[in-house]
Amino acid sequence: ELKVEQNPLFLSMQEGKNYTIYCNYSTTSDRLYWYRQDPGKSLESLFVLLSNGAVKQEGRLMASLDTKARLSTLHITAAVHDLSATYFCAVAYNQGGKLIFGQGTELSVKP
Amino acid sequence: KAGVTQTPRYLIKTRGQQVTLSCSPISGHRSVSWYQQTPGQGLQFLFEYFSETQRNKGNFPGRFSGRQFSNSRSEMNVSTLELGDSALYLCASSGAGGGTDTQYFGPGTRLTVL
Repeated sequence: ELKVEQNPLFLSMQEGKNYTIYCNYSTTSDRLYWYRQDPGKSLESLFVLLSNGAVKQEGRLMASLDTKARLSTLHITAAVHDLSATYFCAVAYNQGGKLIFGQGTELSVKP
Repeated sequence: KAGVTQTPRYLIKTRGQQVTLSCSPISGHRSVSWYQQTPGQGLQFLFEYFSETQRNKGNFPGRFSGRQFSNSRSEMNVSTLELGDSALYLCASSGAGGGTDTQYFGPGTRLTVL
């Protein structure tokens, strides 16, 4: 059974600091996704990672994938308040549209 | 391009009733997946439909069912509602439901069971 674990689950950061969210998964998969969710809102797609060593960056967020270690990271550079949200990683179960989500990391960026 | 739409946005039902939720995918998308989000269990996969056929199924009881129409619109039905069914129900659409496709999520339907 595919399991996805994120850590930390809660993260309080100061503006300007860097931090990393980790996503571990238990079995082989060919796709890993990162999503953002603001309170009371739906999920916004951030990144899709498809191959070992894949790295994608958008603004202050950078995601990477190590399929051998079954690990993805979401790195936050020089955090700003607007990044406060809950971040989820999700791993594709098979070739179809079934995603298994991590527990989410609630990020709070304080001035 | 219009995004994924879900109706209704909010629902209040009582135990024992049944409910039907609707999801219209992004134009051209053929796969629709449904998820349940609760504070205790997080985001859990319910089922996926592709070209009117259920392609994947999660670990939910048979009270939860769905279908997809020829225009790719999907409905989810929950019969004999229980208090624990209170949740945000999200649907997501993707082009072919696999490969490099990203799943795009709708705004969700918030169901409250009293």
